[in-house]
Amino acid sequence: QVQLQESGPGLVKPSETLSLTCTVSGGSITSDYWGWIRQPPGKGLQWIGFISYSGSTIYNPSLTGRVTLSVDRSKRQFSLKLISVTAADTAVYYCARDQELLSDYYYAMDVWGRGATVTVSS
Amino acid sequence: DIQMTQSPSSLSASVGDRVTITCRASQTIRNYLNWYQHKPGKAPKLLIYAASRLQSGVPSRFSGSGSGTDFTLTVTSLQPEDFATYYCQQGYSGPRTFGQGTKVEI
Repeated sequence: QVQLQESGPGLVKPSETLSLTCTVSGGSITSDYWGWIRQPPGKGLQWIGFISYSGSTIYNPSLTGRVTLSVDRSKRQFSLKLISVTAADTAVYYCARDQELLSDYYYAMDVWGRGATVTVSS
Repeated sequence: DIQMTQSPSSLSASVGDRVTITCRASQTIRNYLNWYQHKPGKAPKLLIYAASRLQSGVPSRFSGSGSGTDFTLTVTSLQPEDFATYYCQQGYSGPRTFGQGTKVEI
């Protein structure tokens, strides 16, 4: 079955760029949406955005202007870039598949990676 | 954006208890509502989609209901492995949004 794995630096300096990649195994990125979600310490889940297999994106308005998602179907990877990070961006970052489970656009995040901890600190 | 509000924020329960968590949307989302279970150090797990559809492999003690703006997640007989934080999430329009979570504690 499809599995996801996040990878990237665990420590990023303030004002720099956070970059994470999610690698898809057991399947391909030829349908559905592929998203990023984060959980700051002691807080709840925050949706960051998603990208379709064709490259269209929707972002959380609170992060628009700082976040960019991209997809590389040949490598079966999708990526997150978050610029100008601050301590508030410290979180566990998850990637997830957002799949249509029921016709009529009933989407849900049914497969998740195990999460990558990213700390923003000098 | 559509705001999702869960209640309570936390609750204490015992094994065997019936537990109900509510989720309210700031506008109608029809039945485009999903529920997730999240345990520390683990990936979130999809429990319910389309408000009431049980995800494959999820025990039948979990159920969801509601439409429009008001939804509930019910666990009919709480098991030790059910102690976790539960989130609702709307998929009706625009950016996805989660509720703030409900922590179910012993």
